[in-house]
Amino acid sequence: ETAVFQTPNYHVTQVGNEVSFNCKQTLGHDTMYWYKQDSKKLLKIMFSYNNKQLIVNETVPRRFSPQSSDKAHLNLRIKSVEPEDSAVYLCASSRVDTEVFFGKGTRLTVV
Amino acid sequence: GDSVTQKEGLVTLTEGLPVMLNCTYQTIYSNAFLFWYVHYLNESPRLLLKSSTDNKRTEHQGFHATLHKSSSSFHLQKSSAQLSDSALYYCAPLTGNTGKLIFGLGTTLQVQP
Repeated sequence: ETAVFQTPNYHVTQVGNEVSFNCKQTLGHDTMYWYKQDSKKLLKIMFSYNNKQLIVNETVPRRFSPQSSDKAHLNLRIKSVEPEDSAVYLCASSRVDTEVFFGKGTRLTVV
Repeated sequence: GDSVTQKEGLVTLTEGLPVMLNCTYQTIYSNAFLFWYVHYLNESPRLLLKSSTDNKRTEHQGFHATLHKSSSSFHLQKSSAQLSDSALYYCAPLTGNTGKLIFGLGTTLQVQP
């Protein structure tokens, strides 16, 4: 049962373009995350939001910015994509100090 | 800093053979939770099993793991591999009070007929 919803599923874009990915969770969790899964399958946290406050920011490039309107939504914007941004971006949510629940991911291809 | 090591990137097995995926971790938190997640192609990564209790076996869906804090290990095992077990498996410690799961490269399990 999916409770973390991401759109789009896939996105192909050119270097230098801006992209935005959406994420919504219906679990009532108070913390949401963005993870990046690269081509080597390395899964690494990018951001987490708790009650609309950024609490973890893993030294990602400044062209990446999370955007949250409420605790159920956390979007990801990439201002000017580069080839190394090609990856699967996974949104997740959790209560503090418990397991995280993932969405199916958005696969970004930068050409 | 906190980290996790899964030394095998790819494990290929014949159906029916036992599975063991290695996981060791490093953390300053003595009460870390350890998780195994499974990621099937085109699906969401999902929790397979978890533990924070030293030397206690945890089981779920035919898989089991025992947290050994003395050796910082949490190896995933199954007595008999099935074709449907083919997936990417991540071991992850949960550290601190930010709910921050530390993932790594994972281990891809390929089960062949």
